[in-house]
Amino acid sequence: QKEVEQDPGPLSVPEGAIVSLNCTYSNSAFQYFMWYRQYSRKGPELLMYTYSSGNKEDGRFTAQVDKSSKYISLFIRDSQPSDSATYLCAMVNSGAGSYQLTFGKGTKLSVIP
Amino acid sequence: GAGVSQTPSNKVTEKGKYVELRCDPISGHTALYWYRQSLGQGPEFLIYFQGTGAADDSGLPNDRFFAVRPEGSVSTLKIQRTERGDSAVYLCASSLTRESWRTDTQYFGPGTRLTVL
Repeated sequence: QKEVEQDPGPLSVPEGAIVSLNCTYSNSAFQYFMWYRQYSRKGPELLMYTYSSGNKEDGRFTAQVDKSSKYISLFIRDSQPSDSATYLCAMVNSGAGSYQLTFGKGTKLSVIP
Repeated sequence: GAGVSQTPSNKVTEKGKYVELRCDPISGHTALYWYRQSLGQGPEFLIYFQGTGAADDSGLPNDRFFAVRPEGSVSTLKIQRTERGDSAVYLCASSLTRESWRTDTQYFGPGTRLTVL
């Protein structure tokens, strides 16, 4: 079993829909949780990060962390065609020293106009 | 430049050959990471530099892989005796500090797509 599980999709939604993306993890030592967006043939770019359980909102994006269930989510409101990309969840165990990112597989999202 | 750059953008080589992949981080960034992204997978950690030293190389798959950062800026990932399984996109990321997500962003380069025939 991988440390971070993420449904690869693909996920296709109409423009304006609410998108829900999720990851589960098995390592209780993960303390920081991030969502990256990756366009085709580009490097990942950081969208949001959270620490500890709870919600964090930034514009149309909301990140949720439930440490008790080892489950994190990213919600995209009023989705736009420009949101079409692969979304990667990533986590960090700061106790490991290097602060390396452990990624999920990524979910490929298409927002249809 | 404004961002992390990686060269070459594409590299095709034959099994058994040696390759070097280069990363130019953002000026002033002390932390540098290498990741490998296979098709349909998320990036996987290879090695982390803080300054000139490799502070964590636990992700390197075997001793055919080696990386250097002699002056604390540009880094080179070196792969000896390449195998078909090495085919992937090799990503480099840099940040001002190692705790990049707290106060700073970890910037990724566009990657080098390596194909081993």
